[in-house]
Amino acid sequence: AQSVTQPDIHITVSEGASLELRCNYSYGATPYLFWYVQSPGQGLQLLLKYFSGDTLVQGIKGFEAEFKRSQSSFNLRKPSVHWSDAAEYFCAVGALYNTDKLIFGTGTRLQVFP
Amino acid sequence: DGGITQSPKYLFRKEGQNVTLSCEQNLNHDAMYWYRQDPGQGLRLIYYSQIVNDFQKGDIAEGYSVSREKKESFPLTVTSAQKNPTAFYLCASSKDRESYGYTFGSGTRLTVV
Repeated sequence: AQSVTQPDIHITVSEGASLELRCNYSYGATPYLFWYVQSPGQGLQLLLKYFSGDTLVQGIKGFEAEFKRSQSSFNLRKPSVHWSDAAEYFCAVGALYNTDKLIFGTGTRLQVFP
Repeated sequence: DGGITQSPKYLFRKEGQNVTLSCEQNLNHDAMYWYRQDPGQGLRLIYYSQIVNDFQKGDIAEGYSVSREKKESFPLTVTSAQKNPTAFYLCASSKDRESYGYTFGSGTRLTVV
């Protein structure tokens, strides 16, 4: 079955520290992978996406993610976290030869301490 | 600027009532989606539509209904058959596979009182 796992429900980091949010997927077809961010009471904003090519993708707000097929992972990273990065982050996967439906993980809530 | 507009932002419903959530987009996107978000459960797909006058059930369609009479509009009705309707509802749209990635509205929080 298709699924996305975000093993960390809640992560707390200090401002200026590095960040890595984990995402593992299970998908039979060639995956399209996404990271979204959600501020409280708001919709989701696309941070970055991977379709093919270079496995390290750059996104907005200084985020990057690396696709590792052998580990079925697509972890999100940021070298130095800002207080404004506090939000909930969702990983999602879709298929190349399927409908446009995306499957979302359950999210990771990021808290940033000054 | 193009985008997706969801209204209202907050909605209160009495038990036994049907309510309709509005979703309008001016992005000229073909596909539109409704998701329900509950704490700790991520986003669950209710209905989606890839073309006007056609829509498909998602994973949790029971107690919900939709219509797609216009490309720009994809309203969601929460019926009295939905046993636990209190949630945050998100509408999204996408253009096609090449551009992929959804554009989301800002959501409607529905509370049953």
